[in-house]
Amino acid sequence: RKEVEQDPGPFNVPEGATVAFNCTYSNSASQSFFWYRQDCRKEPKLLMSVYSSGNEDGRFTAQLNRASQYISLLIRDSKLSDSATYLCGSNDYKLSFGAGTTVTVRA
Amino acid sequence: DAGVIQSPRHEVTEMGQEVTLRCKPISGHDYLFWYRQTMMRGLELLIYFNNNVPIDDSGMPEDRFSAKMPNASFSTLKIQPSEPRDSAVYFCASRNRDSYTFGSGTRLTVV
Repeated sequence: RKEVEQDPGPFNVPEGATVAFNCTYSNSASQSFFWYRQDCRKEPKLLMSVYSSGNEDGRFTAQLNRASQYISLLIRDSKLSDSATYLCGSNDYKLSFGAGTTVTVRA
Repeated sequence: DAGVIQSPRHEVTEMGQEVTLRCKPISGHDYLFWYRQTMMRGLELLIYFNNNVPIDDSGMPEDRFSAKMPNASFSTLKIQPSEPRDSAVYFCASRNRDSYTFGSGTRLTVV
């Protein structure tokens, strides 16, 4: 079983919509979690860090549920520029990633 | 800060040839990671170093792969001999506390 599993999507949503997706992790000892954004043919870039129950940054909200071992990412009022692949990372001295969730925002 | 610097950006080589990928981490970052990304397998951790010492190489697929970090500012990932199935994007990342930063990657094509 992979350490981190994600719904691959794709999620195809209209501009202005809200989109949310989850990531599950298997290592209960993981202390911190991350959401990275990756554009086509580019490197992953940090979107949000999640240490406790959650984090919010503008239109982006991440929630952590340790009991069920999942992290979610919610994007409100989605923009065309939010189209990307979102990678979930679980950190236990090394960062393990899920396969990514593809989001496409259409006009 | 120039970020994590990887070279080359693209590499096309013939099967059987040796390939060396290079990485310069962010100064002051004491962890360095090598990842490989393919459509089929996603982003896989190959090996990571702490203070130039290899800590976990369990992700290195075969003996054809080797990595070194001779000093705090330089690391190499070598594939010898290369095979077509090694074609992927190889990312280097460095970490300071909980902040991971990725390089732009090396796109390797083995023909």
